[in-house]
Amino acid sequence: DAMVIQNPRYQVTQFGKPVTLSCSQTLNHNVMYWYQQKSSQAPKLLFHYYDKDFNNEADTPDNFQSRRPNTSFCFLDIRSPGLGDAAMYLCATESSGTNNEQFFGPGTRLTVL
Amino acid sequence: SQQGEEDPQALSIQEGENATMNCSYKTSINNLQWYRQNSGRGLVHLILIRSNEREKHSGRLRVTLDTSKKSSSLLITASRAADTASYFCATDVVGYALNFGKGTSLLVTP
Repeated sequence: DAMVIQNPRYQVTQFGKPVTLSCSQTLNHNVMYWYQQKSSQAPKLLFHYYDKDFNNEADTPDNFQSRRPNTSFCFLDIRSPGLGDAAMYLCATESSGTNNEQFFGPGTRLTVL
Repeated sequence: SQQGEEDPQALSIQEGENATMNCSYKTSINNLQWYRQNSGRGLVHLILIRSNEREKHSGRLRVTLDTSKKSSSLLITASRAADTASYFCATDVVGYALNFGKGTSLLVTP
């Protein structure tokens, strides 16, 4: 089945230790998003790719970077995680030209010790 | 920035009852979508309603949109325990980014 896959589902890292979260999709969608969601809050958009074009939200900290080496894969790099970066990170895809329906992965729960 | 705001924040009902959640937003939209999120999982798209539509149905779901009041409602009829989840409205304003509300946490007890 076509889907959005996130690995790992749970990630534990230490304060200041770089971490990479991955997202892959078999939907062949050209738009990919990364959201951060903290407990009982709305998903907050960090950035998105429209094809290879990177679009950073104005309030996304510099600590967060992203890479999209090809259509199928997208990575979220947190260079120096702080305690405040503990959250669920959601990847989503979308096919441009449609109704903006987004397809989400199951998320990666990040814990920072 | 957050655009939508759901009401109530939490809702507890018994199986078989109907659940109604409301969403208000601030600016003009192209469409409004509702998503469901089970605990610790990703979001699942439920239904989309365009700005020129007033009501839409999908199975046990009924969505209304009132653009003059900048509000939408999601009705789940004959609720089941499996409907327990958080429900988010998301508005499509400009470009590709959706703005999500804080969500309504629904608990359906047997």
